[in-house]
Amino acid sequence: SAVISQKPSRDICQRGTSLTIQCQVDSQVTMMFWYRQQPGQSLTLIATANQGSEATYESGFVIDKFPISRPNLTFSTLTVSNMSPEDSSIYLCSVEAFADTQYFGPGTRLTVL
Amino acid sequence: DQQVKQNSPSLSVQEGRISILNCDYTNSMFDYFLWYKKYPAEGPTFLISISSIKDKNEDGRFTVFLNKSAKHLSLHIVPSQPGDSAVYFCAASVRGGGNKLTFGTGTQLKVEL
Repeated sequence: SAVISQKPSRDICQRGTSLTIQCQVDSQVTMMFWYRQQPGQSLTLIATANQGSEATYESGFVIDKFPISRPNLTFSTLTVSNMSPEDSSIYLCSVEAFADTQYFGPGTRLTVL
Repeated sequence: DQQVKQNSPSLSVQEGRISILNCDYTNSMFDYFLWYKKYPAEGPTFLISISSIKDKNEDGRFTVFLNKSAKHLSLHIVPSQPGDSAVYFCAASVRGGGNKLTFGTGTQLKVEL
């Protein structure tokens, strides 16, 4: 498996501001993913981030709201832009490190006031 | 459209007994299935997976069964231990389709002494 860290682990932000979440993995991986878990809900894929190409967004998610960077094979960032209380969620990154299996970071708990 | 469903939001089992968690899916294109365990304030932890070419996979106390005709899978934990108390998510993907995971809504398992 892969060891994945995320920063920050949690944050409380004001409406209208932006937050950038970092995801670092201890080995080089091709595919990284960003998920959101809203309160009481399941995990929903936001986008797939591959190094050297633009992220691929799922239906309902757009680059202007959730810009993603993937500068190398061990690192990615997700920005939540112009936040509203509806963006309060746990944001998780994952990597595909072995045989179609994804391993997840510890998550970033975001509260928007 | 919820393509992966876990109809039991919670399950309570006595220590030492068997825990059976169920999951149903609707998309016949799914060919790889995974179970994750999630503790509060942590990211999901991979437990076990199964390919659609199999109907059973076992790893220690965990066994996953797949019934393709019924589009149903289950996770058996035996014997159940108090440390197994967590939320369990099933997830499904289409291999070669970007390996995006579609998650169920989760089942809260409580193992009582």
